[in-house]
Amino acid sequence: EAQVTQNPRYLITVTGKKLTVTCSQNMNHEYMSWYRQDPGLGLRQIYYSMNVEVTDKGDVPEGYKVSRKEKRNFPLILESPSPNQTSLYFCASSPRGVGLYSNQPQHFGDGTRLSIL
Amino acid sequence: AQSVTQPDIHITVSEGASLELRCNYSYGATPYLFWYVQSPGQGLQLLLKYFSGDTLVQGIKGFEAEFKRSQSSFNLRKPSVHWSDAAEYFCAVGPEYNNNDMRFGAGTRLTVKP
Repeated sequence: EAQVTQNPRYLITVTGKKLTVTCSQNMNHEYMSWYRQDPGLGLRQIYYSMNVEVTDKGDVPEGYKVSRKEKRNFPLILESPSPNQTSLYFCASSPRGVGLYSNQPQHFGDGTRLSIL
Repeated sequence: AQSVTQPDIHITVSEGASLELRCNYSYGATPYLFWYVQSPGQGLQLLLKYFSGDTLVQGIKGFEAEFKRSQSSFNLRKPSVHWSDAAEYFCAVGPEYNNNDMRFGAGTRLTVKP
């Protein structure tokens, strides 16, 4: 089954304790991205990756890091989490980006709810 | 940069009634437009998309949307709502010549009354 898998689904942690949210897709997609969803703000992009070893900032990258060492995985790293990073996070993938060169939409994971105390 | 406005934060309709969710976009060129649905505790699922051609787009689950360039709108419609349609709906816009730059609206939460 084609899917985007995020782990963990839920996490409560404390300020300053490094954490990683994993994302894996089994569709051989080139493009992957991370979003955060906050009430009244919709989804805002954190980082995206066009392919292995190619990553770039989205709209709200501050406080986050990503890596793309393998095509299927795109972990989101919070080196020193703070309470303003409490949010619902989504990973997504698509074959080749979201613009002209792709008529395929993004596939989304089920989300990771992070609470930073 | 492009942007999306969904004017209605929350809409309540009765089961069997018709539905229209509003979406307005701001972008200078031809946009790519999407509607996604998010059920509680789940990720986003694509309902339909508009890239070019016929301005009335059919999607899954009986939804349709109409692209109106003169009004910068891409409203989502369904003639008869089912209780299972209760969810949050997101409109999104992406530009034609950039391989990554999708913007989402803030979402509209739909409640369906019995």
